[in-house]
Amino acid sequence: DQQVKQNSPSLSVQEGRISILNCDYTNSMFDYFLWYKKYPAEGPTFLISISSIKDKNEDGRFTVFLNKSAKHLSLHIVPSQPGDSAVYFCAASWFEGGATNKLIFGTGTLLAVQP
Amino acid sequence: EPEVTQTPSHQVTQMGQEVILRCVPISNHLYFYWYRQILGQKVEFLVSFYNNEISEKSEIFDDQFSVERPDGSNFTLKIRSTKLEDSAMYFCASSVGKNSPLHFGNGTRLTVT
Repeated sequence: DQQVKQNSPSLSVQEGRISILNCDYTNSMFDYFLWYKKYPAEGPTFLISISSIKDKNEDGRFTVFLNKSAKHLSLHIVPSQPGDSAVYFCAASWFEGGATNKLIFGTGTLLAVQP
Repeated sequence: EPEVTQTPSHQVTQMGQEVILRCVPISNHLYFYWYRQILGQKVEFLVSFYNNEISEKSEIFDDQFSVERPDGSNFTLKIRSTKLEDSAMYFCASSVGKNSPLHFGNGTRLTVT
């Protein structure tokens, strides 16, 4: 089941530069997308979300872009900080189709921000 | 900031034994979830719970699994007869509404020997 895919297992970025994490999905019914950050020995922490009626959502240093025609979303972190080093998960759900907010996760991208 | 708490952080059990994983969701949240992550694999949905009943469950959530909200604060996952392949991190999550982001606990690492 590869409905949500993160094709880059890792990414290394210099402090202060932009980090761009990518995610692709195959199920056109998905209408809500989220990014989570995960440190070792902790649970996923919600970062930012976007509904399919939008193509961009911004929260401080984090911006998520959604390209529905390409079934692609990306998370931009500007500027990147060493504390951003973590595994980033993309997740998707289908609001109208389910009784609850069941999330389908990607495999994650390990971001390393070098000082 | 309110958080989801899970106990224990690590549980070791022998194959065939019953385990109960415990969670205290955020107090004003109404939707509760269990996910698991087998080492090196994706975070997978197991079950969601709302209004004192299961709302959705995955094919992983077979008859060996059950969930319960025994009082106003706890949300438990029981595995009746554990198998080696049940070894994983189990995450509890809650959300205030159906269309709200999930907030996750730090997980329970279950090791079945």
